[in-house]
Amino acid sequence: DTAVSQTPKYLVTQMGNDKSIKCEQNLGHDTMYWYKQDSKKFLKIMFSYNNKELIINETVPNRFSPKSPDKAHLNLHINSLELGDSAVYFCASSQGQGGVSSPLHFGNGTRLTVT
Amino acid sequence: DQQVKQNSPSLSVQEGRISILNCDYTNSMFDYFLWYKKYPAEGPTFLISISSIKDKNEDGRFTVFLNKSAKHLSLHIVPSQPGDSAVYFCAASAWAGKSTFGDGTTLTVKP
Repeated sequence: DTAVSQTPKYLVTQMGNDKSIKCEQNLGHDTMYWYKQDSKKFLKIMFSYNNKELIINETVPNRFSPKSPDKAHLNLHINSLELGDSAVYFCASSQGQGGVSSPLHFGNGTRLTVT
Repeated sequence: DQQVKQNSPSLSVQEGRISILNCDYTNSMFDYFLWYKKYPAEGPTFLISISSIKDKNEDGRFTVFLNKSAKHLSLHIVPSQPGDSAVYFCAASAWAGKSTFGDGTTLTVKP
């Protein structure tokens, strides 16, 4: 049973296109996240939703729009893709808001390549 | 502004010996620290954590030490096993806040 699943695993697309990445968790967690791992291997938070409500929105271009239809799903839509968007995107979830005793559970990542 | 740093990009140890991975942080508001392990083509998985009210937490072969005055934490793995070969990320958060990650240390355990 996959706890946090994200699709697709690989995504290759051209500059200017619009694409979406889907994420689902079956852990019953309240909070979901999107993290970006760039070429330097840093994991940086992009967004966090708690019970479908946006609680963290880091300095991310507004071409990135998260959508949470329910607390088990958090999708990421990216408009007008640019070369610099190439990265691995990780979805994660946690019980609560990542405080004490609330480690993150990650999906296996989506490798986005923009050509 | 990198608030969580892992200054060693890689570490190689012999099977059966101790592995020590280090992490430094700058934000004194951080009060919860975690270590994650990541295999290639997989997401990070939670390994062990420690809150700022403690200076040590142990779970089997894994022990995390926290030195608040030095703003330093370390992960000890003993004895190291080849299956421990992975990238290790430390992370820190303030209460109910986002987790800030270091840039990882690649551990190689040689048989």
